[in-house]
Amino acid sequence: QTVVTQEPSFSVSPGGTVTLTCGLSSGSVSTTYYPSWYQQTPGQAPRTLIYSTNTRSSGVPDRFSGSILGNKAALTITGAQADDESDYYCVLYMGSGISVFGTGTKVTVL
Amino acid sequence: QVQLVESGGGVVQPGRSLRLSCAASGFSFSSYGMHWVRQAPGKGLEWVALLWYDGSNEFYADSVKGRFTISRDNSKNTLYLQMNSLRAEDTAVYYCARLSSGYSIDYWGQGTLVTVSS
Repeated sequence: QTVVTQEPSFSVSPGGTVTLTCGLSSGSVSTTYYPSWYQQTPGQAPRTLIYSTNTRSSGVPDRFSGSILGNKAALTITGAQADDESDYYCVLYMGSGISVFGTGTKVTVL
Repeated sequence: QVQLVESGGGVVQPGRSLRLSCAASGFSFSSYGMHWVRQAPGKGLEWVALLWYDGSNEFYADSVKGRFTISRDNSKNTLYLQMNSLRAEDTAVYYCARLSSGYSIDYWGQGTLVTVSS
């Protein structure tokens, strides 16, 4: 059973930069996993931020960026704002139509 | 604008069945694959199933394979999730979502809550 791992939590100061990562319990993440990233605030549906590693979804501000860092996918928030305080999930495509969500990262802005 | 509206959630006893619906509007429904994603109370998101735009291929998470069936009626712009042999661990908010590039999701519904309890 493949587990997609994320940091449980991160804290960032307003205006600061934070990089969240998305890894595999076994193996390395590459662009062939088409990593995508989603933001969710409590009680709300998720919102799509990034797909296919580094393509921003429509309307997403450019302070959000996606990349591959080493053997993991990464989401970087540059110039964090108060309303970036949310849960963030990555998704990796495993092939054969199967996707797996990461464990999620809770980001606090303070 | 793209809208996805789920319905059909509720309280159901273990072992029983329930069918969820997702009404789509604002886009050419028959041209897009569709996902179901769920979220148990206080837990993370879990991918459940994917159906291609024409219904020709369907894919499931191991946790629901053999119990859940994803289907669609393109004439009604509606996606379905038939859930059989429900278990307490199926309790969750169920979201329908539109398939985008790289098997990702671009639009989400607001979700419908399914509670499996005796």
